[in-house]
Amino acid sequence: DVQMTQSPSSLSASLGDTVTITCRASQIIRSHLNWYQQKPGKAPKLLIFAASTLHNGVPSRFSGSGSGTDFTLTINSLHLEDFATYYCHQSDSSPDTFGQGTKLEIK
Amino acid sequence: EEQLVESGGGLVKPGGSLRLSCSASGFTFSSYSMNWVRQAPGKGLEWVSAIRDDTNYIYYADSVKGRFTISRDNSKNLLYLQMNSLRLEDTAVYYCARDWGGTGMDVWGQGTTVIVS
Repeated sequence: DVQMTQSPSSLSASLGDTVTITCRASQIIRSHLNWYQQKPGKAPKLLIFAASTLHNGVPSRFSGSGSGTDFTLTINSLHLEDFATYYCHQSDSSPDTFGQGTKLEIK
Repeated sequence: EEQLVESGGGLVKPGGSLRLSCSASGFTFSSYSMNWVRQAPGKGLEWVSAIRDDTNYIYYADSVKGRFTISRDNSKNLLYLQMNSLRLEDTAVYYCARDWGGTGMDVWGQGTTVIVS
């Protein structure tokens, strides 16, 4: 199985900051890497698919990059509604696997 | 509006069974592969199972293989997860999610809670 390692596991930032979350796969997954945002008590929402493509309606302050084994999610100019938990997810090979999550908190 | 609604969760004793359902609306259900993903209390997301649109391919996580069975009824726009031999560690919110052609899961239900105790 492909192991997905996210870092950091938690992150404190202020409104307007830029933050970066990384995700590393245990083997090459090409660009089959997706990012989700989850708020407490809610289902995850797809933010970015295929490593760098924004899903419909996702603000342009979100961006993704990477291929192979190393990927990043960057959020520019943090808004209040961005404080949530973020997960990476590989869909290159079965079983699909998720990173352990990164909780983004307000400083 | 594209929507998924799960049902069937509840409290069950270890060794017991439950059948989860996921009702799809607002899109052509038969054209999409579907997934079950779960989240234990305070934990991250764990993919559980997937079924292709035509049911020809089915996949399970090792943690549920041999105990859980995924199925679908395309005529009724329904996805199922039959869960047998339930364990304490199966306690979680179970989500159904639409697979968007291998590029992520783009539509999620609100989740249904399974408690094994």
